[in-house]
This record gives sequence, C-alpha cells and structure tokens, in this order.
Amino acid sequence: GAVVSQHPSWVICKSGTSVKIECRSLDFQATTMFWYRQFPKQSLMLMATSNEGSKATYEQGVEKDKFLINHASLTLSTLTVTSAHPEDSSFYICSARGTQRTGVNSPLHFGNGTRLTVT
Amino acid sequence: QKEVEQDPGPLSVPEGAIVSLNCTYSNSAFQYFMWYRQYSRKGPELLMYTYSSGNKEDGRFTAQVDKSSKYISLFIRDSQPSDSATYLCAMSLTGNQFYFGTGTSLTVIP
Repeated sequence: GAVVSQHPSWVICKSGTSVKIECRSLDFQATTMFWYRQFPKQSLMLMATSNEGSKATYEQGVEKDKFLINHASLTLSTLTVTSAHPEDSSFYICSARGTQRTGVNSPLHFGNGTRLTVT
Repeated sequence: QKEVEQDPGPLSVPEGAIVSLNCTYSNSAFQYFMWYRQYSRKGPELLMYTYSSGNKEDGRFTAQVDKSSKYISLFIRDSQPSDSATYLCAMSLTGNQFYFGTGTSLTVIP
C-alpha cells in the first residue's frame, strides 16, 4: 500500500527557533500534499494544500509566513514552523494523494505525525 | 450545517461484538468515501476507500455508502481489543478537497 513517511516523529524546540518537518511519499508520486494540525481529542484541521511546483494554498486563519510549506518534488513536502512559540505546540500531520492510473483520484494517505513541543 | 457529521462517542463494546460506525453528510455530490483508523499519537491509517456507492468488504471490515440517504457506515465484525482507536470518516467531491468527521472513539473490552 501507499506509504507516507513523516519526520521527525517528535521534536522539542525553544521559543523563537524554527523547526522543519518533512513528508515523503515513498512508493507513489504525490501530486498534492496536505498539512493538518490536530489538537488533543479533536479532528484534523487543514492548514494548507500544496501542489508540486506551486505555492501552497493556506486555509483562512493560517499564517503563511509562519508556516512555510515547500513542495519541491512529487515525493517531498516540508513544513517549517518559523519563530515557534508555545502556542504552536501541537500534532502536525501530513498527507499525500496521488492519481491512480485509471484517472480516478486516489485517497489520502497520512504520515505518522510530528508532535511539536515549544518550550 | 457541517459538511460531515459523526457521533464522537465514546463507544465501548465487548470483544467479539459487531461495531457499527456512521457518518452523515450534506453534499449529495460527494463521490469519494473513506474510513480511517487513528491510534493515539499516530497518523490516520486508511481502512476503506469507496468511489461512488455500494458496499465494500475487506476482512472484518465492511463499508457501506447510501447516497440516497447521504449516509455511510463502517462495520467491524468480531471486534478485537486492537480495534480500539478513533475512527474518522472522510469524503470528497473531486478528490482535491477532503471533509472529515470529528471521529468516533471506540474501545473494545477484552
């Protein structure tokens, strides 16, 4: 099955520093990648959608200058949390979607998430 | 009105029971329907994926889509303690934008 690898799985950083999270599709080409944030016992909150080679589309209320997304290839997208603050502490999950050969869009496949703690 | 409604539970069943999880939706144009299982501190794992309507079976899991009622279900037969997790339904119109339920927390008691 389709595998999405996300690293790191957890990270602790000091307030004011930046953190980069990587998301890779290992066995398929991800035409579109999505970044989510999840608070405890809550559902997924979409932050942004990125297509390979294009600028990411951010959801309302998500600061694009704070959450930098790069989708430079069909297998790699990165999320950089810049100048992190304690309120940025959360569980960040990426997902990727390819296109099946029949032309029907494939479902989303998720990474295992990154737990960010900003001290 | 939310695009997707899902009872958050929690749902607690004895081992071996049949579990029924459900979602309703408002957009009759949705074509792609998914069920995900999420363990604590992990990303969601795709369980079932259905395009259009009908039933799909995979081992102990059966997904049903009733487009006339705008209702989807996931059935788990012979539930196991390892099935204890949060189950998320998701759907999409074109496969470009996805709408998730809030998730149902399931506990299977040995």
